[in-house]
Amino acid sequence: KNEVEQSPQNLTAQEGEFITINCSYSVGISALHWLQQHPGGGIVSLFMLSSGKKKHGRLIATINIQEKHSSLHITASHPRDSAVYICAAPNTGNQFYFGTGTSLTVIP
Amino acid sequence: DAGVIQSPRHEVTEMGQEVTLRCKPISGHDYLFWYRQTMMRGLELLIYFNNNVPIDDSGMPEDRFSAKMPNASFSTLKIQPSEPRDSAVYFCASTTGPGTQYFGPGTRLTVL
Repeated sequence: KNEVEQSPQNLTAQEGEFITINCSYSVGISALHWLQQHPGGGIVSLFMLSSGKKKHGRLIATINIQEKHSSLHITASHPRDSAVYICAAPNTGNQFYFGTGTSLTVIP
Repeated sequence: DAGVIQSPRHEVTEMGQEVTLRCKPISGHDYLFWYRQTMMRGLELLIYFNNNVPIDDSGMPEDRFSAKMPNASFSTLKIQPSEPRDSAVYFCASTTGPGTQYFGPGTRLTVL
């Protein structure tokens, strides 16, 4: 069993749709990270959160520590949001567990 | 700031050769991480440093891999001898404390 599970693995959406990507983890964590990997391979850290909710533009990340679950939402999706989104959970010892990623394609 | 700089961007080598990957973190960042990404295993943390000191190297796959950080502005990841299964993209990232990590562009390594 993976310490970090993401769903769905692949997601295709029409431009403008609301998108949700889920992440569940089984380890005790200090914080949870959401990463975005562009088709060219570059990785960008989107959020680091340990409680509640964070918002950056059209991206919203939430976490429920009790349920060990986090979601990444994209409002008004756009083709430039097409990327792989990776959930990462470092435990209190800073050992990182990564989800397998969600490949998002937004169609114009 | 130029961001995290990695070199080379691409490396093709033959099995048995020594490979050295280089990373320059963002100035002022005191944490540096080395990751490996493959299709089969996804992203994996190999090792990380805090203030130039290796803190956790439990992700380093075997003794063929070694990493150093001689100063705050430079780190190397060395594979000797390299094997085809080492083919992957290797990322370096830096941060200050337990915060947002800034990733370099990665080095795509192909071992023939």
